[in-house]
Amino acid sequence: AAGVIQSPRHLIKEKRETATLKCYPIPRHDTVYWYQQGPGQDPQFLISFYEKMQSDKGSIPDRFSAQQFSDYHSELNMSSLELGDSALYFCASSPRTGNNSPLHFGNGTRLTVT
Amino acid sequence: KQEVTQIPAALSVPEGENLVLNCSFTDSAIYNLQWFRQDPGKGLTSLLLIQSSQREQTSGRLNASLDKSSGRSTLYIAASQPGDSATYLCAVNQGGKLIFGQGTELSVKP
Repeated sequence: AAGVIQSPRHLIKEKRETATLKCYPIPRHDTVYWYQQGPGQDPQFLISFYEKMQSDKGSIPDRFSAQQFSDYHSELNMSSLELGDSALYFCASSPRTGNNSPLHFGNGTRLTVT
Repeated sequence: KQEVTQIPAALSVPEGENLVLNCSFTDSAIYNLQWFRQDPGKGLTSLLLIQSSQREQTSGRLNASLDKSSGRSTLYIAASQPGDSATYLCAVNQGGKLIFGQGTELSVKP
């Protein structure tokens, strides 16, 4: 079965650079979520989209932005990168059949800021 | 604000033991609760999902229970194996997004 695809798997950037992370949800899933997991920490919710509109917002810095496109894939854009942005970034998708649906996670993008 | 707590933070057991991981949450207004497994530096693998109206779910050697009124869930692992070594995370679905606990790091010794 198709899973959530994230790219790239690994990304190394320098401070103050910009990064773009991509997420391709499971087919027919129209809701996408982004999470950030710092070293030794639990995943923290950043932002979510439903039908290309932002549906909820968590602890996402103003330096970050995201969007969902017409094919339902999503991109997380990160600017003015800081050392503290180094983390594992997960994307998850779910079918909008109600909030009881399980979230399916991708394997994550590991971002290292040097 | 919803807070999810997992106890213990780390657990080491010999192979073959049955064990219980605990998860508690402060706000019982949840849609469901998911248990995940995470290997070091890897993604999140969903193990079990319990809807708010359910009491337990079983998959193989895993059994998860939910007591929504008391804000508790347990993950029971029977006959543990070294391959079960990983971090186990519980997460409650509130308003469509997941709020995670900090995980229990499990080590099963051969």
